[in-house]
Amino acid sequence: AQTVTQSQPEMSVQEAETVTLSCTYDTSESNYYLFWYKQPPSRQMILVIRQEAYKQQNATENRFSVNFQKAAKSFSLKISDSQLGDTAMYFCAFRNAGNNRKLIWGLGTSLAVNP
Amino acid sequence: GAVVSQHPSWVICKSGTSVKIECRSLDFQATTMFWYRQFPKQSLMLMATSNEGSKATYEQGVEKDKFLINHASLTLSTLTVTSAHPEDSSFYICSAATGSNQPQHFGDGTRLSIL
Repeated sequence: AQTVTQSQPEMSVQEAETVTLSCTYDTSESNYYLFWYKQPPSRQMILVIRQEAYKQQNATENRFSVNFQKAAKSFSLKISDSQLGDTAMYFCAFRNAGNNRKLIWGLGTSLAVNP
Repeated sequence: GAVVSQHPSWVICKSGTSVKIECRSLDFQATTMFWYRQFPKQSLMLMATSNEGSKATYEQGVEKDKFLINHASLTLSTLTVTSAHPEDSSFYICSAATGSNQPQHFGDGTRLSIL
């Protein structure tokens, strides 16, 4: 069975600094998708970034980038120039390619950006 | 694009009441929608996968007679919590994807409080 592990329950970072959130997963599949979702105190789930396993290039979205290491089954999220609005829960999620769209979720990392 | 609207955002009602939550994809058609439950400071727990025109697929341990799901059109899925009791109090979130290889987009969630 696929699993997603986020080993950092809580993290903090100073405003304008860089922080990296870790995520590892376990699967026997070769083609799949990985996601980072953000859930601020408002509790809305917001897609931050996605990565397709068959693409070697790491995905980037403005200040957010990932370090995708397929062999190591690692998918970390780097937030550059952290802003107060980045304070949120961050969830890593996995999905197989194909018709089964069910997401497998990590337990989340609570990130606090301090002024 | 890819906006998912969920209504109501907050509902408080007496024990024994049935509560209906709506999930609409506003600018796309969603053949599949997902219903999640989230306890405080925890990850999302998938309750069921809602398929347009067919019966929902429930996760193990989720009572299908308790949580009725209807997906009558490509833009609307509803979750009805029947005869709700205080233990059903939780945060419920729906999501939908625009296509088989697209990420899930989430509604803003419904906070359900049963007195």
